[in-house]
Amino acid sequence: EVQLVESGGGLVQPGGSLRLACVASGFTFSSYSMTWVRQAPGKGLEWVSFINNSTSMIFYADSVKGRFTISRDNAENSLFLQMNSLRAEDTAVYYCARGTARDSRDFDNWGQGALVIVSS
Amino acid sequence: DIQMTQSPSSLSASVGDSVTITCRASQRVERYLNWYQHKPGKAPKLLILLASSLASGVPLRFSGSGYGTDFTLTISSLQPEDFATYYCQQSLRPPFTFGPGTRVHIK
Repeated sequence: EVQLVESGGGLVQPGGSLRLACVASGFTFSSYSMTWVRQAPGKGLEWVSFINNSTSMIFYADSVKGRFTISRDNAENSLFLQMNSLRAEDTAVYYCARGTARDSRDFDNWGQGALVIVSS
Repeated sequence: DIQMTQSPSSLSASVGDSVTITCRASQRVERYLNWYQHKPGKAPKLLILLASSLASGVPLRFSGSGYGTDFTLTISSLQPEDFATYYCQQSLRPPFTFGPGTRVHIK
């Protein structure tokens, strides 16, 4: 069974940093692309960042470019999102999700989410 | 960037009704269009990929169609577990934008 478990969320002050992790199990992590998607309170889904299986393709939403960094450790079956210079508008539940193949942008398995609150 | 719109933004329906949601892309996305279902407090669920392919384990009452800029998601006979918010997402080029969502609630 595919499982994705996010961790690292919490309360942080504006301008602060946080690192989210997503640990995968139940599939060959190194063979699949991964992504982060967020949902702010009362809002819809917003795509944040994408990384393919080999890290040769990495993309970011304009709203986080230059502040967030996606990475993965295939040996540890883990996906990461380093979030710097956090703003109130980054407050959201952050989901990690798996692509259907190594470069795929179709996301077929999702974690339960990690809540990030940016507030003073 | 490719912008996604959806209509309606919300709808009310009864169990057994047929429901159609429309998604439009600001540029052609060919068949690179996915549909997701999202319930409060739950993980989103992939329903349809590449405009019309049913994702694994998704009931046959869900179907998708369209190509280019205009797409539809149809639920042929609404079940109680189908009351949720539905999002389209383009997967042609980054940013892989989602539509604003369509909330389906009970009449």
